[in-house]
Amino acid sequence: EPEVTQTPSHQVTQMGQEVILRCVPISNHLYFYWYRQILGQKVEFLVSFYNNEISEKSEIFDDQFSVERPDGSNFTLKIRSTKLEDSAMYFCASGGSESNQPQHFGDGTRLSIL
Amino acid sequence: AQSVAQPEDQVNVAEGNPLTVKCTYSVSGNPYLFWYVQYPNRGLQFLLKYITGDNLVKGSYGFEAEFNKSQTSFHLKKPSALVSDSALYFCAVREVPSALNFGKGTSLLVTP
Repeated sequence: EPEVTQTPSHQVTQMGQEVILRCVPISNHLYFYWYRQILGQKVEFLVSFYNNEISEKSEIFDDQFSVERPDGSNFTLKIRSTKLEDSAMYFCASGGSESNQPQHFGDGTRLSIL
Repeated sequence: AQSVAQPEDQVNVAEGNPLTVKCTYSVSGNPYLFWYVQYPNRGLQFLLKYITGDNLVKGSYGFEAEFNKSQTSFHLKKPSALVSDSALYFCAVREVPSALNFGKGTSLLVTP
């Protein structure tokens, strides 16, 4: 069964540095998402991407964050000038041709900001 | 905004017994509801969804959920729990157009 894959599984970065989290969505999916889960808290929506543009974003997704689909397979989340509070699990998800279809999640990238 | 609530932080059940993980929702309009499961160090796995139609929805691994409009609930159920069902379970509602709004999660522990 096709899967969403995320790299790296764990990223350790100094505060103030930039990080790029990478995702390869399921190949025939059209909707792409990033979520995050701070330790002990619920999963929170960050951004969705459809037709090569952001379709919606939460208030968490401020100017520090950006997303890109640089080619036909990758979907990236860039976090500029990281802060301690950015430490979390970041999950990528993709969904099919209709927005009410289930989203399939990757195993996440654990981001640790020191 | 659409939201879901999971009133229980943890549910304990003995193997072989039926299990229920509770979820209530608050939406305007017709709800699109989902259940996901998260095993340690893994992403969320889709279990089942309710969009429209039959109130009893069957999903993966023998799980089912009952949509109850009058009680605004979407409880997850399984007739006979397995130790391997022990995991974190999330109820979610779809926001327009497509983002998922998750509950805080319920930890299910099935004991032998």
